[in-house]
Amino acid sequence: KQEVTQIPAALSVPEGENLVLNCSFTDSAIYNLQWFRQDPGKGLTSLLLIQSSQREQTSGRLNASLDKSSGRSTLYIAASQPGDSATYLCAVIVDSNYQLIWGAGTKLIIKP
Amino acid sequence: GAGVSQSPRYKVAKRGQDVALRCDPISGHVSLFWYQQALGQGPEFLTYFQNEAQLDKSGLPSDRFFAERPEGSVSTLKIQRTQQEDSAVYLCASSLVEGAYEQYFGPGTRLTVT
Repeated sequence: KQEVTQIPAALSVPEGENLVLNCSFTDSAIYNLQWFRQDPGKGLTSLLLIQSSQREQTSGRLNASLDKSSGRSTLYIAASQPGDSATYLCAVIVDSNYQLIWGAGTKLIIKP
Repeated sequence: GAGVSQSPRYKVAKRGQDVALRCDPISGHVSLFWYQQALGQGPEFLTYFQNEAQLDKSGLPSDRFFAERPEGSVSTLKIQRTQQEDSAVYLCASSLVEGAYEQYFGPGTRLTVT
């Protein structure tokens, strides 16, 4: 059974720092991996989607990498800003094409 | 509409009451998903619709949970005889194509069972 783990559960850093959020999964047979952002009361927003054949995706200050063989993904946030404060979740699609398996998230606080 | 909407945003139910949660997906989206998110946890899959067909309901926690999407657009998640363990945020998402790619999420309904 696929399990997704995110470390750390919470992170607080000063504004301007570069940071890395980690996601690991137990079964390397995934279709893709997605990173989402969750703001209180505002639902989930997709940030980056990495297909199983890709190794990374970039959007602005965000870069996500995928290493299927080791079951790991990282989300790199450059030059963090207070507006980046949110919970970041990763999720994988497994043998069906529709069932997302989610991590519990990393709650990120960027201090001004 | 501009995005996925859900109503009500907050619902307080007494234990044993029935509740109905509504999801309005983005117009034209084929796929619709329901998730349950407990406090401090990631969402957990409940059910998946492709148009009006419920293709997977394996995540529904008990037979007290029922979901429908009769015309392939609006969906309702119904919970009968609510229990305290049903307290969670219920998220709806839709996708233009078949499958879970490019899902757009609604703001969720926070259900509290007292």
